[in-house]
Amino acid sequence: AQSVSQHNHHVILSEAASLELGCNYSYGGTVNLFWYVQYPGQHLQLLLKYFSGDPLVKGIKGFEAEFIKSKFSFNLRKPSVQWSDTAEYFCAVNSGGGADGLTFGKGTHLIIQP
Amino acid sequence: KAGVTQTPRYLIKTRGQQVTLSCSPISGHRSVSWYQQTPGQGLQFLFEYFSETQRNKGNFPGRFSGRQFSNSRSEMNVSTLELGDSALYLCASGGTGSGEKLFFGSGTQLSVL
Repeated sequence: AQSVSQHNHHVILSEAASLELGCNYSYGGTVNLFWYVQYPGQHLQLLLKYFSGDPLVKGIKGFEAEFIKSKFSFNLRKPSVQWSDTAEYFCAVNSGGGADGLTFGKGTHLIIQP
Repeated sequence: KAGVTQTPRYLIKTRGQQVTLSCSPISGHRSVSWYQQTPGQGLQFLFEYFSETQRNKGNFPGRFSGRQFSNSRSEMNVSTLELGDSALYLCASGGTGSGEKLFFGSGTQLSVL
């Protein structure tokens, strides 16, 4: 069975700081990888996804993530965070054929202090 | 374009009762997935429907069931409710499913007393 581990449950940063949220997964085969975000009072929405090709993927709002197959990791990064990035971030995975539902990590609650 | 609509927004039930939740996907989407979100377990996959057929199923007991209609609307049913079923139930729609981008609804908050 797949599993996803997000190392940081709560992260507090100041505006303009750099961000890196860790995500590791366990699955032996080909995977699709996702980062979803939930802003306060809003529903979950996709930040970015990796299916194949360039392991460095760029998403909305200046976010990017790098797929490192050898480390089973898909860390989320942003060079300079803004107060509006305060949200809950979820890493998710499913098998490469997409033949199953998403397995989510427990989430990271990110707070950006102005 | 309207988003994913889930009704009702809140529900309060007692143990032993059953409940039905409804989800209307984005127009044109044929895949509907259901997830349970709790503080302790996080987001867990329940099942996915595509063109009225259950395509995938998570690791939940048979008390949890669902169906999809010809217009792609979906319902989820939980029978013999238990206290542990209290959760936010999220519906997500996609075009062809199979791991592509999902659009989530706001969820139905179920409280079992």
